[in-house]
Amino acid sequence: DAGITQSPRHKVTETGTPVTLRCHQTENHRYMYWYRQDPGHGLRLIHYSYGVKDTDKGEVSDGYSVSRSKTEDFLLTLESATSSQTSVYFCAISGQGAETQYFGPGTRLLVL
Amino acid sequence: GESVGLHLPTLSVQEGDNSIINCAYSNSASDYFIWYKQESGKGPQFIIDIRSNMDKRQGQRVTVLLNKTVKHLSLQIAATQPGDSAVYFCAENMEGKLIFGQGTTLQVKP
Repeated sequence: DAGITQSPRHKVTETGTPVTLRCHQTENHRYMYWYRQDPGHGLRLIHYSYGVKDTDKGEVSDGYSVSRSKTEDFLLTLESATSSQTSVYFCAISGQGAETQYFGPGTRLLVL
Repeated sequence: GESVGLHLPTLSVQEGDNSIINCAYSNSASDYFIWYKQESGKGPQFIIDIRSNMDKRQGQRVTVLLNKTVKHLSLQIAATQPGDSAVYFCAENMEGKLIFGQGTTLQVKP
């Protein structure tokens, strides 16, 4: 998985609770991405980062926020989880913008 | 709708045969395309990429063909093996972001 770890790998939470997912890379890549994957929708971009403290919204950013205080870490936060955010979340990294992206192992999130 | 789509949701092939997975894209300005493989419970894995100034690129047992005239991309897998069973995604570089298709499931029959 190209030096990418995600934590936790599995999480069950209740509606209305905050959730933070972590992506950690050891490749020193500039770009980092958060995607969600749902049946019938493929991979959809939530947020991405093009450097420390530099982030931007993707296709499905509502209800999510991100932070990147260090090159190696990119955090995805669900401020108040909803059942519609039940999904598999993937982090990806890239040395250059929108070039080859390498994915982490994913986090399965279930919001009850 | 999605700008990148796959023609068939499931492809079933006999072990040892060649597999061809197709993908259509809509943005003629896209200049970079990637194929990914995703096994059950894992993240997408890079297979091969191609830039718009090329028509064909070969890797180990895989070939990607790009037809810019009809905006079509294909992935050919030679001598398909059971380990090739997975979901295959194409991705298109559109305005600096990768847009993914929904995927084609490849099933390899022994």
